Amino acid sequence: DGGITQSPKYLFRKEGQNVTLSCEQNLNHDAMYWYRQDPGQGLRLIYYSQIVNDFQKGDIAEGYSVSREKKESFPLTVTSAQKNPTAFYLCASSKPGQGNTGELFFGEGSRLTVL
Amino acid sequence: EDKVVQSPLSLVVHEGDTVTLNCSYEVTNFRSLLWYKQEKKAPTFLFMLTSSGIEKKSGRLSSILDKKELSSILNITATQTGDSAIYLCAVRDPGGTSYGKLTFGQGTILTVHP
Repeated sequence: DGGITQSPKYLFRKEGQNVTLSCEQNLNHDAMYWYRQDPGQGLRLIYYSQIVNDFQKGDIAEGYSVSREKKESFPLTVTSAQKNPTAFYLCASSKPGQGNTGELFFGEGSRLTVL
Repeated sequence: EDKVVQSPLSLVVHEGDTVTLNCSYEVTNFRSLLWYKQEKKAPTFLFMLTSSGIEKKSGRLSSILDKKELSSILNITATQTGDSAIYLCAVRDPGGTSYGKLTFGQGTILTVHP
C-alpha cells in the first residue's frame, strides 16, 4: 500500500549528538514537509521541499538540516545546535499538479528524546 | 509571516454536548483551509475549504469558511468520547508556486467525558 514511512518511531540521544530521522514515501508526491510538535501544541514547519534537489526553510529551521536527493526521500537531521530537540517530528507529503489545494498526508511520526 | 490562531486552546465537555471550534488566519495568498484530527500520532484529514459560505459535512462534524472574516468554524454535534483529540486548523499559502506551505494553528484539545 502507498504511504509515508518514518523511522525510527522512538529515538533517545545524548545532548550534543546529531540525529537523522528518515522519511520515505511511495505516493509519487512532489512536495514533502517536516513539522515539529511539542506536547499539547500544533505543528510548526521546519523545512519543506517542492522538487528534488530543492528545499526551503520553514518557520523554525535553526538547528535542523535536510536533503532531497531523491523524490521518495526527505531525511531530517537534528543537529547539536538545536537548543530544544526533544519533540515529536512529523513528515508529510502533498499531491502533485496544478490546483492542488493542500491536503497533506502524514507519516506516523518520530518521537525524539534528548537526555 | 502567515499566522493561524485557534480558539479555545482546550475544551472539556460531556457526551452529547455540541462544540464549536474556531480558526482565524492571516496569510498573504489564501488557497485553502484544512481541518485535521489528531488522536495519537498522525493527523487525519477532516475537511478542506476553499469557498466562503459552503458548509462541508461528514456525519456529526461540519465546517464552514468565512473569507470576509478570515475565519472558519468546526462544529461537532452529539459529541462522543471518541471525539477526544487535538483538532488542528491549517491554511495553505501557495506563495506563487504549486505547493507553497501549510501553516498550522496551535490546535484545540477537546476532551469528551462520558
